[in-house]
Amino acid sequence: AQSVTQPDIHITVSEGASLELRCNYSYGATPYLFWYVQSPGQGLQLLLKYFSGDTLVQGIKGFEAEFKRSQSSFNLRKPSVHWSDAAEYFCAVGARGATNKLIFGTGTLLAVQP
Amino acid sequence: DVKVTQSSRYLVKRTGEKVFLECVQDMDHENMFWYRQDPGLGLRLIYFSYDVKMKEKGDIPEGYSVSREKKERFSLILESASTNQTSMYLCASSPTGFNQPQHFGDGTRLSIL
Repeated sequence: AQSVTQPDIHITVSEGASLELRCNYSYGATPYLFWYVQSPGQGLQLLLKYFSGDTLVQGIKGFEAEFKRSQSSFNLRKPSVHWSDAAEYFCAVGARGATNKLIFGTGTLLAVQP
Repeated sequence: DVKVTQSSRYLVKRTGEKVFLECVQDMDHENMFWYRQDPGLGLRLIYFSYDVKMKEKGDIPEGYSVSREKKERFSLILESASTNQTSMYLCASSPTGFNQPQHFGDGTRLSIL
């Protein structure tokens, strides 16, 4: 069965520091992978997605993620965090099929210290 | 830009009431989804619909039903609300086809007293 694990429930970084949020997936074939961000009181916004090709994908707001098949990982990175990046981040894997169902991880809550 | 609109941001209802949560999307998407979001549990799929009048159960359908009479509107119904249905509810839509991301509304925070 497909599943997504985000091992870090809560992370605190200083503004200007680099960031890496971990995501591991379980899937029997090449997965469709997504990162979403949820600001307080808002819905989820798509940051980036991976389907095939280049394993390093660029997203909005200066985020990138790297797909590593050997590690079943799709970690999200940002070289320099801004205070406005404080939010909850969700990794998701797409189920194959026309309905585009997603399996979400439990999320990582990011706090940014001044 | 895709716009997914949920009718209420906050809703307070009483145990036993029948509750309707409404969601409208403006991009002619075939697929629509209802999730509930609880701390530490992430998003869990309640129901989804891949066409008008078509629906499928998600992972936690018990106590819920849905209605999709028009392509742009997908309603979630709590038949008899209970306190354990207090949660954040998120609606999403996506077009048909591989690789299509879901687009989310801002959510409805529902409290059942």
